Amino acid sequence: GENVEQHPSTLSVQEGDSAVIKCTYSDSASNYFPWYKQELGKRPQLIIDIRSNVGEKKDQRIAVTLNKTAKHFSLHITETQPEDSAVYFCAANSGGYQKVTFGTGTKLQVIP
Amino acid sequence: EAGVTQSPTHLIKTRGQQATLRCSPISGHTSVYWYQQALGLGLQFLLWYDEGEERNRGNFPPRFSGRQFPNYSSELNVNALELEDSALYLCASGRGDTDTQYFGPGTRLTVL
Repeated sequence: GENVEQHPSTLSVQEGDSAVIKCTYSDSASNYFPWYKQELGKRPQLIIDIRSNVGEKKDQRIAVTLNKTAKHFSLHITETQPEDSAVYFCAANSGGYQKVTFGTGTKLQVIP
Repeated sequence: EAGVTQSPTHLIKTRGQQATLRCSPISGHTSVYWYQQALGLGLQFLLWYDEGEERNRGNFPPRFSGRQFPNYSSELNVNALELEDSALYLCASGRGDTDTQYFGPGTRLTVL
């Protein structure tokens, strides 16, 4: 089955700096890679996703890059703000099963 | 558009009892996914239902079971509760033809 590894587990950045979270996956058939943000006590919210037919996708301050050859993908947050503080989860689907496997999460703290 | 809803918000049971958790998907979604999120940990896949059928299950014992009703709502049953079953149980829904999942607010299960 799919195995998704996520690094780092915790990340502290100064407000205004960039944050990068990296994930690797094992199933070469995976073709869908969502990212979720979970604030304390709240549900995970889909913030951006990418499919394997593109290498990069951007939405305002958030971007995701995908390297299918190396089987890794990354979340980039620019100009971080205190409200970006949350746990971020990457995920990858298991090809053909519409089941996503989640990474272990990254706790991002943006220091004002 | 109403989001995914779950009930109850909190549930307190004692060891050995049974728990039933409920989920209503977004209108038009046919797939329901169940996840367990233990405190401070990631999202562990439990079950996936689509069009009334169980499509896949994660690495959990058989005392975790569920079903999906004709209106696509779903319930998760946990029998013979153990202390380590205490967790946030999240339900997500999606369209049957895509991997994108949207989460509900969760049910916090506490086993005493």
